[in-house]
Amino acid sequence: GAGVSQSPSNKVTEKGKDVELRCDPISGHTALYWYRQRLGQGLEFLIYFQGNSAPDKSGLPSDRFSAERTGESVSTLTIQRTQQEDSAVYLCASSLAEGEQFFGPGTRLTVL
Amino acid sequence: GNSVTQMEGPVTLSEEAFLTINCTYTATGYPSLFWYVQYPGEGLQLLLKATKADDKGSNKGFEATYRKETTSFHLEKGSVQVSDSAVYFCALSRSGNTGKLIFGQGTTLQVKP
Repeated sequence: GAGVSQSPSNKVTEKGKDVELRCDPISGHTALYWYRQRLGQGLEFLIYFQGNSAPDKSGLPSDRFSAERTGESVSTLTIQRTQQEDSAVYLCASSLAEGEQFFGPGTRLTVL
Repeated sequence: GNSVTQMEGPVTLSEEAFLTINCTYTATGYPSLFWYVQYPGEGLQLLLKATKADDKGSNKGFEATYRKETTSFHLEKGSVQVSDSAVYFCALSRSGNTGKLIFGQGTTLQVKP
């Protein structure tokens, strides 16, 4: 497709389980971002990948959160030992190096 | 640190009313400023942007002017339509169009016919 895609669209998990969220950026976009949107709040930056540079992980809230990106393609956000406060919509965006960020539809994560 | 503050919603207007959604920011240096919109059931989309002081961003009848003296980037539209009902987010970026975006909490706009 032409846009950023994310999967799954919805994920319900039990507290303490690990989850993986996937993002497929727009082809050719060198930059990829993960954000989190808690209910009634704005988006919080989590992590940023740009080409082969070291990622900017300054927004990850704890060491339970990690993300990987293979080259300039797919990225996976992993949350280990999920907690109820991790419940949120996780948004991925991609851009050309100097361009507008295009957002995916998000993954709604619910931790019971 | 850098931050964005938006007026709290929800904002409810009648069709053809004038819209203002206030946004102020705190940042070092010269950030770029953005308004994003999230229509019901859709992903976040860039509505308009401004990259330097006194720039005016505009799109779809919406406008916002980068005011460095008041650190503001208020969103305005002269005559809203039902189709403008959405959540609007003000955001800043410190490094042009790249780098992480810092968002306000969002303002829900509901336009009634």
